[in-house]
Amino acid sequence: NAGVTQTPKFQVLKTGQSMTLQCAQDMNHEYMSWYRQDPGMGLRLIHYSVGAGITDQGEVPNGYNVSRSTTEDFPLRLLSAAPSQTSVYFCASSYMPGSRTDTQYFGPGTRLTVL
Amino acid sequence: AQKVTQAQTEISVVEKEDVTLDCVYETRDTTYYLFWYKQPPSGELVFLIRRNSFDEQNEISGRYSWNFQKSTSSFNFTITASQVVDSAVYFCALRGHTGNQFYFGTGTSLTVIP
Repeated sequence: NAGVTQTPKFQVLKTGQSMTLQCAQDMNHEYMSWYRQDPGMGLRLIHYSVGAGITDQGEVPNGYNVSRSTTEDFPLRLLSAAPSQTSVYFCASSYMPGSRTDTQYFGPGTRLTVL
Repeated sequence: AQKVTQAQTEISVVEKEDVTLDCVYETRDTTYYLFWYKQPPSGELVFLIRRNSFDEQNEISGRYSWNFQKSTSSFNFTITASQVVDSAVYFCALRGHTGNQFYFGTGTSLTVIP
């Protein structure tokens, strides 16, 4: 199993550009999520999904869109990049709460810089 | 409301000292799950342990041990005889049974000085 994969690992954007961060998992997990990590602020939830076709907002959703057309993939779209979106982005997946393996596993992260 | 508090922002210890990282949580769920993750300087997030709310037994794994106390809503993590490789940011997290989200603390940065 590859686990949770993310691409790209690094990205530099100019203000106003759009892009998609890719996330895929091969563990058949229902739950997938996107976090951003900024110094001193821990991990903040952007969006999450509990299955194909179902998405919901987390703590900091503004400026980001998601979709979940398959169980495996959960891309994060930046519509018009802003310097405030400079961050490290993590994708994660898990089974639903209560299953013995409901631990959330993380991808390696994407370091995004917006100039 | 669900919340995780890691009051210790940064801790420094000398190698071979013991260190305890504190985690206090808030939840209205009667069934919930607690986690610890390690983020070494390389940046990846590594799962360490999961506990459910019905299992208050303390757990030991090598130099690592966890103390779960429902009475004080705490899930503390102790590293015995710390080593330089333990230097990392450690996150505590909570997941309720009725919701789906994970709630993370802001992390504790541990530096082990040789």
